[in-house]
Amino acid sequence: GENVEQHPSTLSVQEGDSAVIKCTYSDSASNYFPWYKQELGKRPQLIIDIRSNVGEKKDQRIAVTLNKTAKHFSLHITETQPEDSAVYFCAALRNYKLSFGAGTTVTVRA
Amino acid sequence: IAGITQAPTSQILAAGRRMTLRCTQDMRHNAMYWYRQDLGLGLRLIHYSNTAGTTGKGEVPDGYSVSRANTDDFPLTLASAVPSQTSVYFCASSEQGAGNEQFFGPGTRLTVL
Repeated sequence: GENVEQHPSTLSVQEGDSAVIKCTYSDSASNYFPWYKQELGKRPQLIIDIRSNVGEKKDQRIAVTLNKTAKHFSLHITETQPEDSAVYFCAALRNYKLSFGAGTTVTVRA
Repeated sequence: IAGITQAPTSQILAAGRRMTLRCTQDMRHNAMYWYRQDLGLGLRLIHYSNTAGTTGKGEVPDGYSVSRANTDDFPLTLASAVPSQTSVYFCASSEQGAGNEQFFGPGTRLTVL
């Protein structure tokens, strides 16, 4: 099956700075890469996704990049705000199944 | 019902007991999923169903079973609970396959003693 590794496991940033989370995947046939945000005690929610035929996608302060050759993808959050504090999960799709990374706890310091 | 719901919200269960976690969605999504979430391990897929009448095994299916008799409901059954099944369980659904946004339920916190 697919193996997704996510780094770092924790990230603390000053409000207004950028945050970057990186994920690698093992199966070159994976073709869909979503990112989910989970606030404390809440359910995961999709914030952005990218498909294997696209190299980069942006949505306001959030962007995702994909390098298929190296089999890694990254989430970039610019101008971080306190409401960005949460756990972020990357995932990769292979054969109808999503495999998730272990998560990154992001804390935005005021 | 709006979206996807799960019941119960939380449950404490004695080891060896049988337990069914319920999941219902009203979005007419074809695909449904069950995940367990454990600290440091992220979300792991237990079972999935691409359409009513079909099911498939995920990453960690042992000790769990599912059924998909209709589009809306996707119950998860623990035939004989063990302490290692203590976890938070999330049900999710998506329009077609997993290559579309998955909408998660609120979760069920299960403790097996």
